[in-house]
Amino acid sequence: QKEVEQNSGPLSVPEGAIASLNCTYSDRGSQSFFWYRQYSGKSPELIMSIYSNGDKEDGRFTAQLNKASQYVSLLIRDSQPSDSATYLCAVGTHTGRRALTFGSGTRLQVQP
Amino acid sequence: EADIYQTPRYLVIGTGKKITLECSQTMGHDKMYWYQQDPGMELHLIHYSYGVNSTEKGDLSSESTVSRIRTEHFPLTLESARPSHTSQYLCASSEQESSYEQYFGPGTRLTVT
Repeated sequence: QKEVEQNSGPLSVPEGAIASLNCTYSDRGSQSFFWYRQYSGKSPELIMSIYSNGDKEDGRFTAQLNKASQYVSLLIRDSQPSDSATYLCAVGTHTGRRALTFGSGTRLQVQP
Repeated sequence: EADIYQTPRYLVIGTGKKITLECSQTMGHDKMYWYQQDPGMELHLIHYSYGVNSTEKGDLSSESTVSRIRTEHFPLTLESARPSHTSQYLCASSEQESSYEQYFGPGTRLTVT
């Protein structure tokens, strides 16, 4: 079992719809959770961070965390073609190696 | 906003050559990382550093080496490049005592012929 799991996609949504991206993690000691966006051929860009259970909203993006279920999600409202990218979930533990563990990413396609 | 730089951005080099990929950051971050990523594939951590004179190997076995003599500089060296080293190399940094938010440089795309 991978430490951080994501559906590889592609997830295809029409323009204006809500895109829902999901991520599960295996280490119950994880304390920091991040979503990165990566356009093809570019480096990952941090778009959301969340540290406590519940929802965190930033513009069109909402991150949701449920530590009991070991589940993180990212909602993108009013999806735009420019949101088409691969979204990477990353999880951090504050013990041991103290580095982020990345999922393999979900490719999102927003259809005009 | 992170200021992290990588040079060169693109490199095509022949087999057997020694190469050094440069990574610098101006935020004073203690932690720095090197990742390898093939097109459409996941990130693999190959090296990391918690600070000056601290380096560790990551999850993916790599024939590369790193050094951390200055806080802002974390170069990666391949003593003898091979076609199997063809990939994108991404450098990242984060603050030591923060929440582990990592910021990435623009990457170096390496092709070994």
